[in-house]
Amino acid sequence: DIQMTQSPSSLSASVGDRVTITCRASQSISSFVNWYQQKPGKAPTLLIYAAHSLHSGVPSRFNGRGSGTDFTLNISSLQPEDFATYYCQQSYSAPRTFGQGTKLEIK
Amino acid sequence: QVQLVQSGAEVKKPGASVKVSCKTSGYTFSSYGISWERQAPGQGLEWMGWISADTGDTKYAQKFRDRLTITKDTSTNTAYLELRSLRSDDTAVYFCARDQRYSSSWNDYWGQGTLVTVSS
Repeated sequence: DIQMTQSPSSLSASVGDRVTITCRASQSISSFVNWYQQKPGKAPTLLIYAAHSLHSGVPSRFNGRGSGTDFTLNISSLQPEDFATYYCQQSYSAPRTFGQGTKLEIK
Repeated sequence: QVQLVQSGAEVKKPGASVKVSCKTSGYTFSSYGISWERQAPGQGLEWMGWISADTGDTKYAQKFRDRLTITKDTSTNTAYLELRSLRSDDTAVYFCARDQRYSSSWNDYWGQGTLVTVSS
């Protein structure tokens, strides 16, 4: 199975900050990475698919980059609604493994 | 609008089976697939498997292969997850999510989740 190592596991930031979350795959996976946001008690929502494509309706302050083994999710100018847990997922091969998550908290 | 509505919470004893439904609406069912993921309490997400709503092809995570079955009913636009031989560590919220038609790629719409509790 492909391992997805996500960092940091938690992050404190303020409204207006720019943050970066990193995901590293255990082997090259081209651009087969998705990013999800999850709020407590809710289902995840898709932010970015295929490494850099913004899902419909997602604000442009979310940006995905990377290919091969190293991927980033950038959020420019954090808004109050962005405080949540973020997961990367590889869709290169089954099983479609997730990173362990990054909990973004208000400083 | 696209909606996936899952069946309600279940409580099962160890060794039993559970079947969770995922009724879809707002799109052409057979043009997409459905994935199932789960999330144990306080833990991350775990992909379990996928079905093409067009061809019925399935893919399963190896760890569930011998006790998981994912099916579909095109007449009701509903997908199902059946997990057998339940153990306490199967206690989790189970999510269905819309996926791509010919392979599991990304999940753009999700169900609300179904809590399955396994306890004696």
